[in-house]
Amino acid sequence: KAGVTQTPRYLIKTRGQQVTLSCSPISGHRSVSWYQQTPGQGLQFLFEYFSETQRNKGNFPGRFSGRQFSNSRSEMNVSTLELGDSALYLCASNQGGTILFDTQYFGPGTRLTVL
Amino acid sequence: GNSVTQMEGPVTLSEEAFLTINCTYTATGYPSLFWYVQYPGEGLQLLLKATKADDKGSNKGFEATYRKETTSFHLEKGSVQVSDSAVYFCALVEIQGAQKLVFGQGTRLTINP
Repeated sequence: KAGVTQTPRYLIKTRGQQVTLSCSPISGHRSVSWYQQTPGQGLQFLFEYFSETQRNKGNFPGRFSGRQFSNSRSEMNVSTLELGDSALYLCASNQGGTILFDTQYFGPGTRLTVL
Repeated sequence: GNSVTQMEGPVTLSEEAFLTINCTYTATGYPSLFWYVQYPGEGLQLLLKATKADDKGSNKGFEATYRKETTSFHLEKGSVQVSDSAVYFCALVEIQGAQKLVFGQGTRLTINP
């Protein structure tokens, strides 16, 4: 079974631009979560989508948004990019139950650099 | 709020040494606990997990026991290899509120031959 895939793997943008990242979950998984990883803040939860609806949300500004399609693929968008948005963005999927017991599987990440 | 604290790195060991990476947590109730590993240039991989007190998670020679009395989930391995060099993250899942992983800051481990 294929793992979680993320595209693109690397992106370079300039301040003020917007960017869209894509995540394809493991087949059969209906929940997709996004995390931001930076050296200073570590790994932080952005949001989670389940059945095309945002089910959970972290503490990020409204410039960060996402969506999920009927095939469970998800995209996240960051508008008006800032230098501090430079990070590794990780996507994780699971079947959709409580992640107390339903393990999340991570993709390789998209490395975003904002210049 | 809930949080995870890991021992600060980096940690450097020789091959075949014994490894311990400390992890303690603060949480409401009894969360599930995880260790994830991140190899250079890659995303996170689940290493092991435990869902209730006194559970022991194990995988690839690594072990961790869920200790409710000390709110700890220390990672151990009896004999490390060069291929174990990576960043290790301890994490918990909150029972209440958002269903999300809360991570520690990560511990970078380097194993020298």
